[in-house]
Order: sequence, then structure tokens, then C-alpha cells
Amino acid sequence: GEDVEQSLFLSVREGDSSVINCTYTDSSSTYLYWYKQEPGAGLQLLTYIFSNMDMKQDQRLTVLLNKKDKHLSLRIADTQTGDSAIYFCAEVLFSGGYNKLIFGAGTRLAVHP
Amino acid sequence: EAQVTQNPRYLITVTGKKLTVTCSQNMNHEYMSWYRQDPGLGLRQIYYSMNVEVTDKGDVPEGYKVSRKEKRNFPLILESPSPNQTSLYFCASSSRDRQYFGPGTRLTVT
Repeated sequence: GEDVEQSLFLSVREGDSSVINCTYTDSSSTYLYWYKQEPGAGLQLLTYIFSNMDMKQDQRLTVLLNKKDKHLSLRIADTQTGDSAIYFCAEVLFSGGYNKLIFGAGTRLAVHP
Repeated sequence: EAQVTQNPRYLITVTGKKLTVTCSQNMNHEYMSWYRQDPGLGLRQIYYSMNVEVTDKGDVPEGYKVSRKEKRNFPLILESPSPNQTSLYFCASSSRDRQYFGPGTRLTVT
């Protein structure tokens, strides 16, 4: 079945690294996404990784993919107060030639001084 | 600029009063969809459309209708809203490898 799981809360100190974890169930997923939702705002695509990659780095963001364990993580280096948001992991299932996103419940990241 | 717009952004209504949330995209995408977001549940797909006049149920379609008469527009219709439809709604428009989300519509049904 289709299921994406994330822990619901993470609290970190400003300047530390944050690691948000996600597990998914469908091994046929070709893309895995991380979205960020700031308070009162919509969804912002943060980064994504192809299923044939193990790692992707983009400035302060590092995405690690363990396809064997179906585990995805997002590491934010030097976490800032502006990183406080809800982070959604999503797997993509191609259905009829188009992508269907299956979302996790979201991890609320709180950054404190 | 690639854009998905939704209206209204906020709506408070009463049980049973029909309402429509509009969604429009300017990217000529064929695939569009509606999600609802609830705390602890993430985003769940309500309906999707693969092209004009082609729509299908997502994971939580009960109590909703959609139509797709033009490629750019994909309205969400609640014929008789109930309090359990109080939620944050997102419209999305997709290319083959990416979804673009609208800003969201916060609906409260009393």
C-alpha cells in the first residue's frame, strides 16, 4: 500500500543541524520530495531526489536516500529561526503517465535560540 | 510567471450552503488535483483531472465534486458542506515531474 511516515515534531537550537526522517512504502517511487510550509503559507518545493541517487546536496540542505530501507532524510545545516516550518516528505507514484503525490503527515520543526 | 491561483483564500460558511472554490493555472498543464490538509494527516488527494472533461476520485472524495470544462480551471464544489469539511485546501497543477501548488483556501464550516 501507499504510506509515508514522519515524526510529527522536532526541536533544535539555532545553529545546530536538523535531521528530519521519513519512511515510505512503495519501492517503485521514482522521485521523493521535500516540501516546506511556513505558518499561514502554501507549500514550497524545497528539494527532491531521484530514486537512483543516494544523496543530493543543495547549499544547507542534504537529502539522503536509502532505497533498500525505503528511508529518506533531510538535513538542514546551521538551522536558523527562518527554518521553523512544517516539512512534508512525499513520494511520487506515476499513475496514468502523471505523478500522484503521497504525503507524510509533516514534521513541525521548531528552532529556538 | 508560473502560477496556480485559488479563490477565496479564506471562507467561513454554514452547514448545507453550497460553495465553490476556484482554481486556475497558467502553465497549460493537463493534470490538476485538489488536496485537503488536516493536522497530523498531511495532504490527502480529493479529486484529480487528467485533462478536460476527465476527472477521477482521489483518496477522500466524499462530499466533493469537481468539473474540468477548460484546461486552465478546476473548481472544487461542496454541494452541502458539513463541519468535517473544515480544512485547508490546496489546488495543484502538474507537469510530468513536478507539482505546483496554489496558496491554499482555509475553509471553516459551522
